[in-house]
Order: sequence, then C-alpha cells, then structure tokens
Amino acid sequence: QKEVEQNSGPLSVPEGAIASLNCTYSDRGSQSFFWYRQYSGKSPELIMSIYSNGDKEDGRFTAQLNKASQYVSLLIRDSQPSDSATYLCAVNPPRDTGRRALTFGSGTRLQVQP
Amino acid sequence: DTEVTQTPKHLVMGMTNKKSLKCEQHMGHRAMYWYKQKAKKPPELMFVYSYEKLSINESVPSRFSPECPNSSLLNLHLHALQPEDSALYLCASSPQPPWDINYEQYFGPGTRLTVT
Repeated sequence: QKEVEQNSGPLSVPEGAIASLNCTYSDRGSQSFFWYRQYSGKSPELIMSIYSNGDKEDGRFTAQLNKASQYVSLLIRDSQPSDSATYLCAVNPPRDTGRRALTFGSGTRLQVQP
Repeated sequence: DTEVTQTPKHLVMGMTNKKSLKCEQHMGHRAMYWYKQKAKKPPELMFVYSYEKLSINESVPSRFSPECPNSSLLNLHLHALQPEDSALYLCASSPQPPWDINYEQYFGPGTRLTVT
C-alpha cells in the first residue's frame, strides 16, 4: 500500500462546478497535511495546510481532514479554467515511522472545461 | 513573503561538465531541501539541511553534492551527470525541520536541467 494515495485523474469538471479531490494516507499518527497546486512545467505551490479534524476554508478552497478515516480532501468551489493543474497531496509522517520528510501522493490532474 | 529563488532557470550540460545550482531564501527558514522531479511524477526528496547541517541524504549518487554556505543559501554541485539525471530540480524551505509538526514547505521555481 502506498503511503499517500491519490486518483491520478484526469478529473474533469465544468466551469463553475465544485471540484473534489481526495487523498488517503496510511500512517495513522500523521499530523500535518498539505495541498500543492502544480501547473505544467512549473513548481508546486502550497495552497492549503490542515492539521486538525474538520474543515478549513480559504477563499474558494476548502480542505477537509478526517484522521479516523485517514483521508484528506480539497474542494474547489466555482472552478475556473485557471484551476486546471495537478494537485499534490503531501503528508508529514509521524516521528515513530523513521521517515523524516513530507511524503507526496502522485497527484490528481484536474481539468476545468470552459 | 514566501519566496524561494533559484538560479539558473534552465541549464544544459554535458556529461563531463561541472555546474552548480543555487537557491536562496530570506524568510529566516531553518530547513532547506533539494528535490528532483521527473515529468508526471511527484517531487522526490534528495537532501535536507536543518540549521545549516546536512540531516537527510536519500542515498543520492555522489555526482550530486549539496552545500549550505549559510542559513539563506543552498547549492547543489553537479559533476559527471548522466542523461537520466535530466529533470526539474526544486529547492524548498520551511520554518522548521520536517520532523517538527505544523510546518509548511515552500518551493522555488526550479531549475530545468538537461544532460546531453
């Protein structure tokens, strides 16, 4: 089982719709979770971080964390063509795993159709 | 301001060349990172510096040699690379080392490296 799993997509949504991106992780004690947006040929850009169960909203973006079910999601409201990118989920593993850096999922490619 | 800068933006080098990639941040971050990213893959961690000391080396071949001259600068020295080393090389920084919780990591724009 991969440590951080994402559906590779592409996830295609019409302009103005809600895009829902999901991520599951295997290390139950993980405490820090991040979403990065990466446009083709560019570097990853941090768009959301979440540390506690529940929802965290920032503009059109909402991150949702459920530690009991070991999933984190990103909702993008009123999707725009400019949101078309690959979205990377990253998890900071617990200290007792021996891993000491972010673990990235393979990314979900989002396409917003005008 | 969460800016990490990298130079050069693009680099083409032969297999016998020696070159260096440079990274700079002025956010007072205490951890800096080098990643390698191939097309359609997530970033792959190479090195982590924490408080200017090398803390993680992910079994990277010795043809890649990192250096942290001070808390703001990070270099990656390249020597005798192979064509399969062609990739986007990303620098990142975070306020605290990755084994501290509740930290955020910011990436620079990257250097697109082509080895011929």
